[in-house]
Amino acid sequence: EMVMTQSPATLSVSPGERATLSCRASQSFSRNLAWYQQKPGQAPRLLIYDTSTRATGIPARFSGSGSGTVFTLTISSLQSEDFAVYYCQQYNNWPPLTFGGGTKVEIK
Amino acid sequence: EVQLVESGGGLVQPGGSLRLSCAASGFTFSSYEMSWVRQAPGKGLEWLSYISGGDSTTYYADSVKGRFTISRDNAKNSLYLHMSSLRAEDTAVYYCARDSTYGPSVYFDYWGQGALVTVSS
Repeated sequence: EMVMTQSPATLSVSPGERATLSCRASQSFSRNLAWYQQKPGQAPRLLIYDTSTRATGIPARFSGSGSGTVFTLTISSLQSEDFAVYYCQQYNNWPPLTFGGGTKVEIK
Repeated sequence: EVQLVESGGGLVQPGGSLRLSCAASGFTFSSYEMSWVRQAPGKGLEWLSYISGGDSTTYYADSVKGRFTISRDNAKNSLYLHMSSLRAEDTAVYYCARDSTYGPSVYFDYWGQGALVTVSS
C-alpha cells in the first residue's frame, strides 16, 4: 500500500501570504496525484489532478507540482475562503486509493 | 447539474448491518466509475470501495473487505454500500464520489453531502 504523508499538520498563514503544503509518498511515481479542499461540514472539493492540472473553476492561485516522492500544493495569496483542510490522494498504485492525513490551513 | 445524494445512514448496534444508497442525477450514471469514501469524526479521508461503470468490477480496502459490498443499479441511477458486521470503528460520515475519468486514473470530481453512520450499543 502506498502511504501518503502530509506536512505540516497545521499551517498558520496570514491572508495574502503564500502557503506551501507538502505530500510525501512512500513510493516514487509521477503525475497520478490529486489535491482536495475540505471545509467544516462540507464534502471535499477537487482542486488539482494529475499533479498540476487545476479542476474546473479552481482559481489560478492554486498550483500543484512535484514528482518522485514529494508533491506540493501552493496557494499563492491566501484568501479568506482558502482556510480549510487540504488532502492529497494518489491513484498511481491502487487498490487501495490512499489519501494523506491532511493539512489544516488556519488564519495566523 | 451533477448531484449525488446519500441516504440510509443512522445508528446501528455493533455486529449489525446497514445499506447506504447514493442517488445520482445530472449525468449519465452508467458511464462513470464510482467509489465510497468515509471520514471518521475529526479524522481524514479513507477510500473504501470502487465499482466500474458497466462490468461491475469492484475493489475494496482491506479494512472493509468481506464485510462491505458495493453495488450499483444503472437503471435506477443508484449506488449502494451494504455494510455488515459493523464495528465501533466504522462510525463515520460516508461519501459517495464520482470518478472524474474513465480508465486507471481514479480521482473524484463530485461528492455527495455524506451520510452519518454511528455504530454504538
